[in-house]
Amino acid sequence: QVQLVQSGAEVKKPGASVKVSCKASGYTFTSYGISWVRQAPGQGLEWMGWISAYNGNTNYAQKLQGRVTMTTDTSTSTAYMELRSLRSDDTAVYYCARGKGDTAMAPFDYWGQGTLVTVSS
Amino acid sequence: QSVLTQPPSASGTPGQRVTISCSGSSSNIGSNTVNWYQQLPGTAPKLLIYSNNQRPSGVPDRFSGSKSGTSASLAISGLQSEDEADYYCAAWDDSLNGHVVFGGGTKLTVL
Repeated sequence: QVQLVQSGAEVKKPGASVKVSCKASGYTFTSYGISWVRQAPGQGLEWMGWISAYNGNTNYAQKLQGRVTMTTDTSTSTAYMELRSLRSDDTAVYYCARGKGDTAMAPFDYWGQGTLVTVSS
Repeated sequence: QSVLTQPPSASGTPGQRVTISCSGSSSNIGSNTVNWYQQLPGTAPKLLIYSNNQRPSGVPDRFSGSKSGTSASLAISGLQSEDEADYYCAAWDDSLNGHVVFGGGTKLTVL
């Protein structure tokens, strides 16, 4: 069965960086893309960007351009999301989600369990 | 302020039919398909409807979706207590080099 398992919760200071991992199993990793979606406490969903696990192409949300990098390691079927220059309003649960196809437009048919990132001095 | 507009709340009694609306524009719903996600309390979102009206395997046919112009709707018939959750619409937006936009979410309460 398809599973996306994310790394554990993180606490970071303002200005620091965080790297969240998302290990996929149960399907051919390179046949699908991975999007990252975050949810601030008590708030809605925000799309952060997408990466093709086939060729590494990316599409980032404009507001995060320059601060976010998404990568994949096909040898371990793992996707990564790094966010730099953290601010308090980056505090959120971060989800990885598989796209139902290798395009940024694809709906998200499987989700990771979420990783809480807390940014606090 | 979300790009797609949803009512913040909706409610119904068991067995009733409820609908949740999602309003967008020509750059998102008007030119691309709509997906709906259900988020039960404390859990990750789950794909409920994709491509406007398609149900993934395992989603009951009580859930249905539709789209007209720049708006979409999610309908839930035969409401059950376990349907109490947050519901989000989403679509691709062609502006700004393309990106996914979400609605602000609708909290459904089963009375």
